[in-house]
This record gives sequence, C-alpha cells and structure tokens, in this order.
Amino acid sequence: EDQVTQSPEALRLQEGESSSLNCSYTVSGLRGLFWYRQDPGKGPEFLFTLYSAGEEKEKERLKATLTKKESFLHITAPKPEDSATYLCAVQGGRGDSWGKLQFGAGTQVVVTP
Amino acid sequence: SQTIHQWPATLVQPVGSPLSLECTVEGTSNPNLYWYRQAAGRGLQLLFYSVGIGQISSEVPQNLSASRPQDRQFILSSKKLLLSDSGFYLCAWSGGRNTIYFGEGSWLTVV
Repeated sequence: EDQVTQSPEALRLQEGESSSLNCSYTVSGLRGLFWYRQDPGKGPEFLFTLYSAGEEKEKERLKATLTKKESFLHITAPKPEDSATYLCAVQGGRGDSWGKLQFGAGTQVVVTP
Repeated sequence: SQTIHQWPATLVQPVGSPLSLECTVEGTSNPNLYWYRQAAGRGLQLLFYSVGIGQISSEVPQNLSASRPQDRQFILSSKKLLLSDSGFYLCAWSGGRNTIYFGEGSWLTVV
C-alpha cells in the first residue's frame, strides 16, 4: 500500500529564515510526486510535479527536489504570505495504485514578520 | 484555461437528510473527475473517481454515492447523512497530464 509521511507536522519560521519540509514515500511504481499549497478553508493549489529521482523544480521562493525515497520542499527567505499547509502526494503506476494520489497529512507553515 | 466550480461552499444538514454536492469543469473535455474528503488533521481521502460518463469507481465503502450525468459534471450524493459525514469535500479533475487540480471545496456540517 502506498504511504506518504510528511514532517514536521508544523513549522514556525521568522521571515527570511529558510527551512525544508520532508516528504517520505513508498509507492508501487512512481508516476509522479506532487506538492500542493493549501490555505485555510480553500482547496489545494498545485505547485510542482516531480517524476524521477534527481529532478528539481523551482517557483519563486520554493524549490522541490526528489530522491527515490523522499522529496524536500525548500523555502528560501520565506515571507508571511508563504504561510500555508503544504501537502505532498504520490501517484502510483502499478496495480491498484495506478493513477491514484496518496496524500500525506501536510506540514503547516507559519511565517512571522 | 480550465476552471472548476463546486457548490455549495458551505452547508449545515441534519442527520438523516439527503445531500447533493455538484461540481463542473470548464475548458476541457473528457476529464478524469474525483471527489476527495479532508478530515481535520488528516490527509485527503479519495472517495470516488470517474474516467467517463456513467463510469464511477468507489474507493471507500460508505453511505455516499457519486454520479457523472455529463462529461464535465460530477455529483456527490447521500440519501441519509450521518454525523461522521461531516468534513471538507473537494472535487478535482485531471486531463491528459496526470496533475490533479482541485476546486475550492464544500464544508459540510451534519448536526
């Protein structure tokens, strides 16, 4: 069964204090690893898809990386508007996992001025 | 560009009453459609997905059902709500690429 574990559960940062979020996963034949941002009371907003180990993607202050067992979301010099819950999900490519997203519980990030 | 609309945004329903949440996608054809539920402090749970009109796959046994009467319309229903059905329900779609895009969600409180 596909599993996704995110850590830490919560992260409090000062503005400008860079940090990383971790997403550890097990999946049958990875089709993709996804990062989403979710603001309170809203639906998740798509950030990145990573397909293979070694791949990296960037968007503004966010950078996502992927290995065979985990992914990191690096937040560089965060601003208060980066406060949100960040969700990681994997999409399997074999058997019952095919095409389905398995989500982690998320990391709640609060950036204070 | 593609957009997804989901309604109602919030609703409070008594135990035993029926439920209907609707979702439509614009700007694409033959999307895969999904219903997820998000409970507090937990990850998103896939409830139903559909690859075409009338084709529904259920992931979790429960008193909810889904229907897809048109290509870009997805409906989540219940004949009799339970307290445990309370939560945040999200409709989502995916196209030729495997990225899944979410709607704004519907907050359901069963009282």
